Amino acid sequence: AQSVTQLGSHVSVSEGALVLLRCNYSSSVPPYLFWYVQYPNQGLQLLLKYTTGATLVKGINGFEAEFKKSETSFHLTKPSAHMSDAAEYFCAVSDLQAGTALIFGKGTTLSVSS
Amino acid sequence: NAGVMQNPRHLVRRRGQEARLRCSPMKGHSHVYWYRQLPEEGLKFMVYLQKENIIDESGMPKERFSAEFPKEGPSILRIQQVVRGDSAAYFCASSPPGTSVSPLHFGNGTRLTVT
Repeated sequence: AQSVTQLGSHVSVSEGALVLLRCNYSSSVPPYLFWYVQYPNQGLQLLLKYTTGATLVKGINGFEAEFKKSETSFHLTKPSAHMSDAAEYFCAVSDLQAGTALIFGKGTTLSVSS
Repeated sequence: NAGVMQNPRHLVRRRGQEARLRCSPMKGHSHVYWYRQLPEEGLKFMVYLQKENIIDESGMPKERFSAEFPKEGPSILRIQQVVRGDSAAYFCASSPPGTSVSPLHFGNGTRLTVT
């Protein structure tokens, strides 16, 4: 069965600092991996996705993530945090060969201080 | 192009009442997914439907919960005889038909409060 583990339920950074949100997955087949962002009282918005090909994936708002098969990781990074980045971030894995929906991690709340 | 529409945004029910949550997928999308979100628990998959078919309901509680996606009209998630533990945010997502990988598009959710 697939699963996603997000290390750290809360991450706090200063404005301008590096953002690193960790995600490890478990999958018996090559996974498809996603990062979503959720702002208060809203639904989830896709940040980026990895399916095949280049392992470094660039998304919206300056975020990127690198798929590392040997480490079963898909960590999300942004070089310089902005106040507007404060939100909850979810990593998700999909095994579309099995025709199943996305499996989400528990989320990481990012706080950005000035 | 309207996104995924969920209504109502907020729903208050007393214990024992029925809750009906509606979801209209994005135009051209024929796959609908329902998720439940509880604080500190992330999103839990409930059910995956295509038009007139339930594809995967492995995340649905065995009792009181049901879902449908009729040929015409929105998808409905129904919770009968609600209890306090049903209080949560319920999100609907949709994706287009086909076998290629498509990310899910989410609605803004329905926040159910059971009093």
